[in-house]
Amino acid sequence: GAGVSQSPSNKVTEKGKDVELRCDPISGHTALYWYRQSLGQGLEFLIYFQGNSAPDKSGLPSDRFSAERTGGSVSTLTIQRTQQEDSAVYLCASSPSPYEQYFGPGTRLTVT
Amino acid sequence: AQSVAQPEDQVNVAEGNPLTVKCTYSVSGNPYLFWYVQYPNRGLQFLLKYITGDNLVKGSYGFEAEFNKSQTSFHLKKPSALVSDSALYFCAVRPRDYGNNRLAFGKGNQVVVIP
Repeated sequence: GAGVSQSPSNKVTEKGKDVELRCDPISGHTALYWYRQSLGQGLEFLIYFQGNSAPDKSGLPSDRFSAERTGGSVSTLTIQRTQQEDSAVYLCASSPSPYEQYFGPGTRLTVT
Repeated sequence: AQSVAQPEDQVNVAEGNPLTVKCTYSVSGNPYLFWYVQYPNRGLQFLLKYITGDNLVKGSYGFEAEFNKSQTSFHLKKPSALVSDSALYFCAVRPRDYGNNRLAFGKGNQVVVIP
């Protein structure tokens, strides 16, 4: 079956611009996660959605970052006024249970 | 707070030799433990997990891992490494608290299998 998909696969933007990253989770998965992977830094948790509950936003690094999940399915991560330190690979994952998470291929964001 | 340590940046092993990737963790209570693998320009792929029961868990591609509660470790092992096993390996942990589903990842280990 179809896995988690993310778009775009690559995004180059100028410092100060806003960007939107999209995640399509596996159908039926109630949980959705965003992580950031920086070179040599491992994966950093950003935000977690579970069903209709209020999202866990505790990992968002600043108020320039926000995310929403519409209709319990597709999610968009928005970064406003991008900075060079935002350059990273942004990974989305979905899960049907409290256990394993299924990851998308990621969006590589480069801020110039 | 939970944390995961993968002490080696890179693990080099000759093809056909045993492969071990080390992971230790710090979390309150008994955690759920996971290993993921990332091939170049790809997302993370789930390898295996420990939830409960037998401390030795078997996963995809011939990998296994052993949960050691006293040493708070969850080392990944494969008896005979293949060149195609060269990738980035991540250990992850999450506590059993209901609702706390975020994973804490180690920084990853680059595995290089030498032909």
